[in-house]
Amino acid sequence: GQQLNQSPQSMFIQEGEDVSMNCTSSSIFNTWLWYKQDPGEGPVLLIALYKAGELTSNGRLTAQFGITRKDSFLNISASIPSDVGIYFCAGYNTDKLIFGTGTRLQVFP
Amino acid sequence: DGGITQSPKYLFRKEGQNVTLSCEQNLNHDAMYWYRQDPGQGLRLIYYSQIVNDFQKGDIAEGYSVSREKKESFPLTVTSAQKNPTAFYLCASSLLGNYGYTFGSGTRLTVV
Repeated sequence: GQQLNQSPQSMFIQEGEDVSMNCTSSSIFNTWLWYKQDPGEGPVLLIALYKAGELTSNGRLTAQFGITRKDSFLNISASIPSDVGIYFCAGYNTDKLIFGTGTRLQVFP
Repeated sequence: DGGITQSPKYLFRKEGQNVTLSCEQNLNHDAMYWYRQDPGQGLRLIYYSQIVNDFQKGDIAEGYSVSREKKESFPLTVTSAQKNPTAFYLCASSLLGNYGYTFGSGTRLTVV
């Protein structure tokens, strides 16, 4: 089945650093979503994007819907230890979401 | 509070036995989904349902079965035909349309 390509696959950063990750697809999507999964839990929705070029923030998180509609970006500013987890992008395709492969984030104090 | 509940959190079964994972939601969502997640892997869609008494296969439906007799419930049965059933199983629900999913907290199934 189709999966979106996320990069990087994993990141190891120091507390306080900014983080950037992206998600690309060969298909156009009309909706992009970003989720975070804590260890042993289900993913939680962070940000939803509905329009090409849209830039949306949620606290220290900022996400953008790429102008080509084939990509999306997530930035986390001033990382803290609780940012640890797996971040998934997702694009809406006809009748269901297609998820990315995930970016695993580790934050060291 | 509205939410989606998966039970149990941990499940152990012997090889060759069928096992049913529960998923209940009180969000009044029309659509429900089952995903499988293996260590270090992304989410793979097993089955989904957009209306009661109807469901569609996802990318990895072989060895699994579902039912949708009530809007609130979407149980998943892992059958003995599933060759590698040990995994983390996630249930989700959503409104119809391009809305985000709400996930349950998952069931970790271990088959020994």
